[in-house]
Amino acid sequence: EAQVTQNPRYLITVTGKKLTVTCSQNMNHEYMSWYRQDPGLGLRQIYYSMNVEVTDKGDVPEGYKVSRKEKRNFPLILESPSPNQTSLYFCASSAQRWGPYGYTFGSGTRLTVV
Amino acid sequence: RKEVEQDPGPFNVPEGATVAFNCTYSNSASQSFFWYRQDCRKEPKLLMSVYSSGNEDGRFTAQLNRASQYISLLIRDSKLSDSATYLCVVNMGYYGGSQGNLIFGKGTKLSVKP
Repeated sequence: EAQVTQNPRYLITVTGKKLTVTCSQNMNHEYMSWYRQDPGLGLRQIYYSMNVEVTDKGDVPEGYKVSRKEKRNFPLILESPSPNQTSLYFCASSAQRWGPYGYTFGSGTRLTVV
Repeated sequence: RKEVEQDPGPFNVPEGATVAFNCTYSNSASQSFFWYRQDCRKEPKLLMSVYSSGNEDGRFTAQLNRASQYISLLIRDSKLSDSATYLCVVNMGYYGGSQGNLIFGKGTKLSVKP
């Protein structure tokens, strides 16, 4: 089954403790992206990647890091999480960045930083 | 001006009703258009792409008016299962300022009642 897999689904952590949210897709998609969703603010892009070793900042990159060492994986790293990073996070992938292609989203990671 | 604007709703309609959602986008260079559906606390899922000539998928009809920079979604014979948030999504293309990334509206909430 074609899918984007995120882990974990739920995570509660303490301020300052480094964490990684994994994202993997099995569709051989070149493009991958991370979003956060907060009430009233909608989906906001954190980082995106056009291909292996090619990443770029989205609208809200502060406090996050990403890497794209393999085509299928695009982990999101929070080096020192803070309470304002409490949010619902989605990973997405697409065959291409533009053109008539929608994104396939992972099931989401609900992160709480206390 | 916000890039993609939608009426947040909620739209509360009885089963069997016809309901229409509207969306406006700010960048005339936008190239691709989509409607996504998002159930509460779940990932967004592609409902349909929107083509210039308009397109239909069962009870759902999408229209695009490039001159007015306006997109619509019509749902006929509403079902209880249509209750969700509907996201208007635009790809502004390489020269549109968003480097080809998808721009999401904040969504319109639909609640279909028995």
